[in-house]
Amino acid sequence: SQELEQSPQSLIVQEGKNLTINCTSSKTLYGLYWYKQKYGEGLIFLMMLQKGGEEKSHEKITAKLDEKKQQSSLHITASQPSHAGIYLCGADSGTYKYIFGTGTRLKVLA
Amino acid sequence: ETGVTQTPRHLVMGMTNKKSLKCEQHLGHNAMYWYKQSAKKPLELMFVYNFKEQTENNSVPSRFSPECPNSSHLFLHLHTLQPEDSALYLCASSRQGGGGNQPQHFGDGTRLSIL
Repeated sequence: SQELEQSPQSLIVQEGKNLTINCTSSKTLYGLYWYKQKYGEGLIFLMMLQKGGEEKSHEKITAKLDEKKQQSSLHITASQPSHAGIYLCGADSGTYKYIFGTGTRLKVLA
Repeated sequence: ETGVTQTPRHLVMGMTNKKSLKCEQHLGHNAMYWYKQSAKKPLELMFVYNFKEQTENNSVPSRFSPECPNSSHLFLHLHTLQPEDSALYLCASSRQGGGGNQPQHFGDGTRLSIL
């Protein structure tokens, strides 16, 4: 079965610093999603990547899917306290199935 | 603001109680999902409904019983739960099931505690 591994598991950065979160799949990705979750709340959809080499941006967050479609990275530029939360990658894993990584917990120090 | 609403937000129940979780989506989606989120574990898919028909039961114990009366509403009936069932239960919806590169939209979840 397909698995998604995220790294790092947790991250503490100073406000204004850049950071990168990685998501590696054990199988080829056909749809990769990034979500953000605040503690005890639901997931907020950030971006979806489908094609190898694809890159998308939303405000200061950029996500890429590598050419081989087995790894994605999420990059935050000039981090702010509002970026704090848990970032999860998710993927289609067959009909009616979605899988998720274990998440990266981000803390931004003001 | 989410288009998927879950109630209650918090629930504490004894192991012999019966309770239900409710989910409603206002997005016109046709697929709805129940997930379980436990500490330090990936989200676990429990059930999938596509056009009101259950299409996935991910080996979930029978003490969890889903119900989908229409494409906008999803319930999770709980009966004789165990302490290890304490978790955040998340409902999600998507335009249609079957993958197909469609993002899911999540509710804020119900935090369930079993005494």
